[in-house]
Amino acid sequence: KNQVEQSPQSLIILEGKNCTLQCNYTVSPFSNLRWYKQDTGRGPVSLTIMTFSENTKSNGRYTATLDADTKQSSLHITASQLSDSASYICVVSSMNTGFQKLVFGTGTRLLVSP
Amino acid sequence: KAGVTQTPRYLIKTRGQQVTLSCSPISGHRSVSWYQQTPGQGLQFLFEYFSETQRNKGNFPGRFSGRQFSNSRSEMNVSTLELGDSALYLCASSSQPGTASEQYFGPGTRLTVT
Repeated sequence: KNQVEQSPQSLIILEGKNCTLQCNYTVSPFSNLRWYKQDTGRGPVSLTIMTFSENTKSNGRYTATLDADTKQSSLHITASQLSDSASYICVVSSMNTGFQKLVFGTGTRLLVSP
Repeated sequence: KAGVTQTPRYLIKTRGQQVTLSCSPISGHRSVSWYQQTPGQGLQFLFEYFSETQRNKGNFPGRFSGRQFSNSRSEMNVSTLELGDSALYLCASSSQPGTASEQYFGPGTRLTVT
């Protein structure tokens, strides 16, 4: 069964600290993996899209890693800011018979405390 | 360039009623996807439209339907509303369907069924 599991479910860190969010997937065949940030009451905003051949991708203070062999990805946030408080959603894309299927994780809710 | 817009932003309906939600994609984007987001289930794919044709459909009952117009604007309709339909409904636009192209989400329509 195609699944995306994220951990932890929620996380509280102090402003300025780093954190790492995890994403494990069983989606096959794999097309790409995306990380989204969703502020409360807003739509998700893309942070990174990674294909099979990409191991690391950065977007400012956000760095995503992908290990396609172990089917694991992580999102590392450096020097956290209060504005990083949001839900982070891992999404894995699979292509099947010409159609793209997106499998969503349930997200990690991050709270950055002053 | 204007982003994805969704109307209305908030809606309260009673059981048994029907509702129509609207989505205007980013100018030039011809693919529109709809998602339902609930706290327990996360984001779930409803359907995708491209050039006025439904290309892909998720596992939702027939009460959920949609359409796309020649200007790429899309509407989603839910008939015979149930309490469990209360959710944030998100639409996302992209330039191409079913590929690794970026998806841009709107702010969502918060539907409450009483």
